[in-house]
Amino acid sequence: GQNIDQPTEMTATEGAIVQINCTYQTSGFNGLFWYQQHAGEAPTFLSYNVLDGLEEKGRFSSFLSRSKGYSYLLLKELQMKDSASYLCAVIKAAGNKLTFGGGTRVLVKP
Amino acid sequence: KAGVTQTPRYLIKTRGQQVTLSCSPISGHRSVSWYQQTPGQGLQFLFEYFSETQRNKGNFPGRFSGRQFSNSRSEMNVSTLELGDSALYLCASTLLPGNQPQHFGDGTRLSIL
Repeated sequence: GQNIDQPTEMTATEGAIVQINCTYQTSGFNGLFWYQQHAGEAPTFLSYNVLDGLEEKGRFSSFLSRSKGYSYLLLKELQMKDSASYLCAVIKAAGNKLTFGGGTRVLVKP
Repeated sequence: KAGVTQTPRYLIKTRGQQVTLSCSPISGHRSVSWYQQTPGQGLQFLFEYFSETQRNKGNFPGRFSGRQFSNSRSEMNVSTLELGDSALYLCASTLLPGNQPQHFGDGTRLSIL
């Protein structure tokens, strides 16, 4: 089976930086996705990592270490609209099945 | 380009009934996956379809079934509904199966009374 762990909740201040960690245990790893989900809305794609290292996309960056089974999503210059749940998901070599972590709810305070 | 469309958006059923949910993928996308989202279990994979064939199935009872049509639209069916089936059902599509970002629809919120 697969085990994907991420913190349940984090609070940060507008303009600050927050790092959301995700650890996973799986066989046949073929990539890790990060999604953002606002309450009552669909998850939207943020980033994808398949090789080790950092992928930067504007205010959001994602890092992967396959040997450690570890990823993080870094949100910089936090804005109020970044208050949402952030979901870490792993995809295996065969097929399109995403296995999600429980999600991290981020609350941005003024 | 229109996104993934799911209908209906909201549905209320009673125990023992059955329900059919519909998903139209992004135009040109041929792979459709279904997920169930609940507060307790989070997002869980139900099944995946490509070229009208089920390629993967999650750990759900046989009451949960699905199919895909030649135009890539997909339906999922839940029979003999139970209270625990109350959830947000999300559909996602990709061009082809594989490690590509899945694009989600807004979901169907199913409530069982």
